[in-house]
Amino acid sequence: GAGVSQSPSNKVTEKGKDVELRCDPISGHTALYWYRQRLGQGLEFLIYFQGNSAPDKSGLPSDRFSAERTGESVSTLTIQRTQQEDSAVYLCASNRRTPGELFFGEGSRLTVL
Amino acid sequence: EDQVTQSPEALRLQEGESSSLNCSYTVSGLRGLFWYRQDPGKGPEFLFTLYSAGEEKEKERLKATLTKKESFLHITAPKPEDSATYLCAVQSGNTPLVFGKGTRLSVIA
Repeated sequence: GAGVSQSPSNKVTEKGKDVELRCDPISGHTALYWYRQRLGQGLEFLIYFQGNSAPDKSGLPSDRFSAERTGESVSTLTIQRTQQEDSAVYLCASNRRTPGELFFGEGSRLTVL
Repeated sequence: EDQVTQSPEALRLQEGESSSLNCSYTVSGLRGLFWYRQDPGKGPEFLFTLYSAGEEKEKERLKATLTKKESFLHITAPKPEDSATYLCAVQSGNTPLVFGKGTRLSVIA
């Protein structure tokens, strides 16, 4: 595709439920990143995939958060037993090389009631 | 630990009133400093990358500059369509980009 695609664009869930957010990066981009953006805050790094290397999970806030990536394509971010403080916009980005500019998707807005 | 501080948090300008946004950073070894624009409800859009002190980049009414401690985003004769949040980020080594909280710019016609 022309850009990074994320789905769903909006998700409302009840506290305690699990959610899955999907990211389809730009074709040919080997690196994929997940960031979280809370209201009025900057982007908070969550996890980074680079090719077939082990992912950098250093930004995941708790063991309720996990992510997978299939080869150099789609990634899924899973949040188990959601809490109200998980409410945020989850942004996915990809790039061809590191260092280098990131190309972001439109984000998935998660609201936990 | 890499840190980025942006100021001001918010800036309101009249159309045509030039100004600058500041990005101060602390990083162990700078590999790149990035500026992004983010419109409400959208993902950040890449503007510039600066790699070394003294470097400058321009795009339309925007010019980014870099010193060893900070970067400035100069906006010349802004228009209402320049209203957005401007984000600064740094990268050291092969680590993920570290972002500041951004400056919310409003340009009033």
